[in-house]
Amino acid sequence: AQSVTQLDSHVSVSEGTPVLLRCNYSSSYSPSLFWYVQHPNKGLQLLLKYTSAATLVKGINGFEAEFKKSETSFHLTKPSAHMSDAAEYFCVVSDLWKSSGDKLTFGTGTRLAVRP
Amino acid sequence: DGGITQSPKYLFRKEGQNVTLSCEQNLNHDAMYWYRQDPGQGLRLIYYSQIVNDFQKGDIAEGYSVSREKKESFPLTVTSAQKNPTAFYLCASRAGDTQYFGPGTRLTVL
Repeated sequence: AQSVTQLDSHVSVSEGTPVLLRCNYSSSYSPSLFWYVQHPNKGLQLLLKYTSAATLVKGINGFEAEFKKSETSFHLTKPSAHMSDAAEYFCVVSDLWKSSGDKLTFGTGTRLAVRP
Repeated sequence: DGGITQSPKYLFRKEGQNVTLSCEQNLNHDAMYWYRQDPGQGLRLIYYSQIVNDFQKGDIAEGYSVSREKKESFPLTVTSAQKNPTAFYLCASRAGDTQYFGPGTRLTVL
């Protein structure tokens, strides 16, 4: 069975400083991994995804994530936080074509606060 | 504009009433999904449909029902059997291995 652990429920950074949101996963197969962002009372927007091509994945709004198989991690980073980055972020794993058929497994989310 | 629309944005229901949430997509995606989101939790899968006229229960299907009569539409009915229906409901559709989400409907039971 697959699972996702987001190691921090809340992260607070100052504007202009780096962002690190941590995610560890467990999967029986080679997974697809995603980061989504959700602003209050909105749907989820795809930030980036990893699907076994390059291990460093670049996404929208300056975010990127690195897939590390040996550490089973997929941490999300951004060099310089902006006030508009304040939102909730979800790490998601999919074994779409394998054991779980057609399901995503969501982490419980990390709420990012950005201080002026 | 291509995308996924959900209506209404906010919905209030009295206890004991059924209510239907709308989800429409013009992305020509075969697969569609319904999720429930509660504070401090990730999304939980209610129902999904991989093709017209077919759908499968997800992890928390009790108290919900769906239909998939058209490719574009996947309405969710929250029945009176759902014991705690107050939540944020998200619809999604899939292209390849990626799911794309609608803006959500917030349901409150009074």
